[in-house]
Amino acid sequence: GENVEQHPSTLSVQEGDSAVIKCTYSDSASNYFPWYKQELGKGPQLIIDIRSNVGEKKDQRIAVTLNKTAKHFSLHITETQPEDSAVYFCAQTGANNLFFGTGTRLTVIP
Amino acid sequence: GAGVSQSPSNKVTEKGKDVELRCDPISGHTALYWYRQSLGQGLEFLIYFQGNSAPDKSGLPSDRFSAERTGGSVSTLTIQRTQQEDSAVYLCASSLGWTRYGDTQYFGPGTRLTVL
Repeated sequence: GENVEQHPSTLSVQEGDSAVIKCTYSDSASNYFPWYKQELGKGPQLIIDIRSNVGEKKDQRIAVTLNKTAKHFSLHITETQPEDSAVYFCAQTGANNLFFGTGTRLTVIP
Repeated sequence: GAGVSQSPSNKVTEKGKDVELRCDPISGHTALYWYRQSLGQGLEFLIYFQGNSAPDKSGLPSDRFSAERTGGSVSTLTIQRTQQEDSAVYLCASSLGWTRYGDTQYFGPGTRLTVL
């Protein structure tokens, strides 16, 4: 079945530094890989996604890379700010739903 | 526009009681999903509705859990004879089409269920 491993589980960085979160997936048929940000007491919010026909996508300070051969994808946040502090989830598509990683709690220290 | 809404935001119940959780998806979205998030954990898929097709119930943890979607819009998740292990945040999401083809899932704020 589908399995998504996410690392690290917690990450602390100084404001202005970069943060990288990595995920490995098992289902080679998956073709869509979103990243969600969840703030305390709120539902997850999509921040960026990538489809299997591209290797990298960037949106301002956020970028995602995908290596289909190795079955892993990563989230990169540059110039981190305190408001980036949240829990981040990677996901891959299943037959009818998303399978999520276990989350990374990012803390940006001012 | 309006996003996905869920009610109630919080629900406290006693063990053995039944509860109903409601989800209003984004207007026009054909797909609706329910997920469960236990404390400090990731999201666990429960059930999926797509248009008029039979729902995918493969994620429901026991026969105490059921869900319906009326008129292709509002959905209700029902948990019968609640147990303490049912305590979690229940999240609803909707998408315009099929996630497998890359349609974004938009999440509601969740219902925090506490079973005493």
